[in-house]
Parts: sequence; C-alpha cells; structure tokens
Amino acid sequence: DAKTTQPNSMESNEEEPVHLPCNHSTISGTDYIHWYRQLPSQGPEYVIHGLTSNVNNRMASLAIAEDRKSSTLILHRATLRDAAVYYCILRDPYSGAGSYQLTFGKGTKLSVIP
Amino acid sequence: GAVVSQHPSWVICKSGTSVKIECRSLDFQATTMFWYRQFPKQSLMLMATSNEGSKATYEQGVEKDKFLINHASLTLSTLTVTSAHPEDSSFYICSARDMAGGLLFSEQYFGPGTRLTVT
Repeated sequence: DAKTTQPNSMESNEEEPVHLPCNHSTISGTDYIHWYRQLPSQGPEYVIHGLTSNVNNRMASLAIAEDRKSSTLILHRATLRDAAVYYCILRDPYSGAGSYQLTFGKGTKLSVIP
Repeated sequence: GAVVSQHPSWVICKSGTSVKIECRSLDFQATTMFWYRQFPKQSLMLMATSNEGSKATYEQGVEKDKFLINHASLTLSTLTVTSAHPEDSSFYICSARDMAGGLLFSEQYFGPGTRLTVT
C-alpha cells in the first residue's frame, strides 16, 4: 500500500486558515486521497477526498499537486472545534477485497490557539 | 449525514469475562463493517472486516477465536471480546460502508467508539 507522510503536530490561531500537508510520493494512478479527522475520544469522521482535481466542501478544501505526490488539506478558518488528529489516507477502489479498507497512519495533531 | 452508533459507549469488566459491543448503521444499509482498535496515543488499527452473511476477515495477528464478529443483518455487527484480559483494554471503533455509495465514492462512517476497561 502506498504510504503517506504527515507532520506529527501543527498549531494554528483561531479564525486563521490552516494548511495541513501530506506527502504520498508513491501514490498509484488509481489511489484516491482521503482525509479523515478524529476529535478527542471520538471515532473518525470523513472530511474530504479527491483524485486529481482540487475539491471543496463545507468542511474544507483539498489541494492536490499536479504530480499527485502531495496534497494539502485547507481549513479556511480554524475554530476550537477543529482541534483534532487529521489523517491523510490513500485508498485504491480497484484493489479487490481490500478496496474499502482504510489504513490509518499517525496523522497530524492540530492544536487551535484561542 | 449517515449515522453509526455503538453500544455501550464504555464498559468495565472483570478479567476472564466476555463483553459484546454492538455497531449499528442507523439510516443506511451496510454490507461491510470494519472493527478497529486504538490504544492510547496511537492510531487506529484495523482488526477485521465484517461482511453481512459471511465470516469476518481478520487482520494478521488478531485472534479470531478471541474477537468474535457477527454481522447478521445489513444494519448490525457485533464484536465479542471473549475471556477478556487487561491487555484487551482499548478503544474499539466500528465503521460501516454505505451500500448506496458505489465502488468509487462510498465513504466509511465511524461509530463513536467503545471504551473497554478490563480489571
């Protein structure tokens, strides 16, 4: 499985934008880039996903490098409720029996400073 | 959005007893559910994949006779930790895949987790 590399931790001031990077230099052509986040003592929640083009939804934006070897999750205005561990995960929907599995790395712990 | 519930949210049991954890998809049908375990300050580790009507597929190193999984309906999967020991104390999280999503765009919805403490 292609692996991802994320910084262990990041800090942001409240109401400022946050850019969370993810490197995936060995990504395959059929890997989708998924982002999940996990608030303290809760299960993960889906944030966003994309393949090649940048994506926007109500929670965040996903910027994908042209060579797809890296991506950035953008929170436009961080709030205290955004403090969580953010996971960047690659998923290949064509990989057969394991195509629905998500393999979690260590993620980036985001702290939001009031 | 889709909701997955888990019951109980926390449980304390004595060593040697068995504990059952339920995972339900409340507003969608899930042919596939996943069970994860998370130790303090660590990431989620996939334990097994549960498919409705068939046997679960366990990840390497996970004892299938100790962690019994049943997925009898499209909305319910259960994980039973048999003969629990203190080292089984962990945060157990389930997730479910919405059948309607299709291959490319189906996302997993996670339950809130169950905190198991074995004394």
